[in-house]
Amino acid sequence: DAGVIQSPRHEVTEMGQEVTLRCKPISGHDYLFWYRQTMMRGLELLIYFNNNVPIDDSGMPEDRFSAKMPNASFSTLKIQPSEPRDSAVYFCASSLDGLAYEQYFGPGTRLTVT
Amino acid sequence: DAKTTQPNSMESNEEEPVHLPCNHSTISGTDYIHWYRQLPSQGPEYVIHGLTSNVNNRMASLAIAEDRKSSTLILHRATLRDAAVYYCILRDHRLRDNYGQNFVFGPGTRLSVLP
Repeated sequence: DAGVIQSPRHEVTEMGQEVTLRCKPISGHDYLFWYRQTMMRGLELLIYFNNNVPIDDSGMPEDRFSAKMPNASFSTLKIQPSEPRDSAVYFCASSLDGLAYEQYFGPGTRLTVT
Repeated sequence: DAKTTQPNSMESNEEEPVHLPCNHSTISGTDYIHWYRQLPSQGPEYVIHGLTSNVNNRMASLAIAEDRKSSTLILHRATLRDAAVYYCILRDHRLRDNYGQNFVFGPGTRLSVLP
């Protein structure tokens, strides 16, 4: 398996623009996680899905952020409108099930909002 | 409230063993101890986990104190590639859907390996 795939790897956009980050989890994994990493706040869990259904989105910072998982092999994290404070590295991860010990992380998307 | 505490940074010489400590004095009986690491410019990767007994795998060993209030990740021979941030995380595995605030990456320990 190619592992968790994220695109784009880098994104530079202007404040106010819509940003869409994409993730393809490992085939057969039921859980998908979106994390954000900044120097100030470290690695934060934003939202996670079980079998394409959002389970906990309490980490989503505000209404400008939304995440969807239309099928088992694809998820998006959208920011609209984007702000400079959204600049961070966004990671997607997947795991086999809710009791699995391992989460497999993608390479991340580095987002810069100017 | 932080569930685990780790030193901010540690240094090791190449090819020497490294002992990375983690304190978790409020651990519950059903919390598993997980270790992940994050190499520069990469996503975190799983290293090892345990509940009560010491554990070994190809990457590392995990030594868990008898009272489970602390644990130590042991890299038997550090290489330059082991330079990373190491995270110690607790998770209660009784429930499938309790990731929320129950799988928290703290600041971790930044390990530097000197040639």
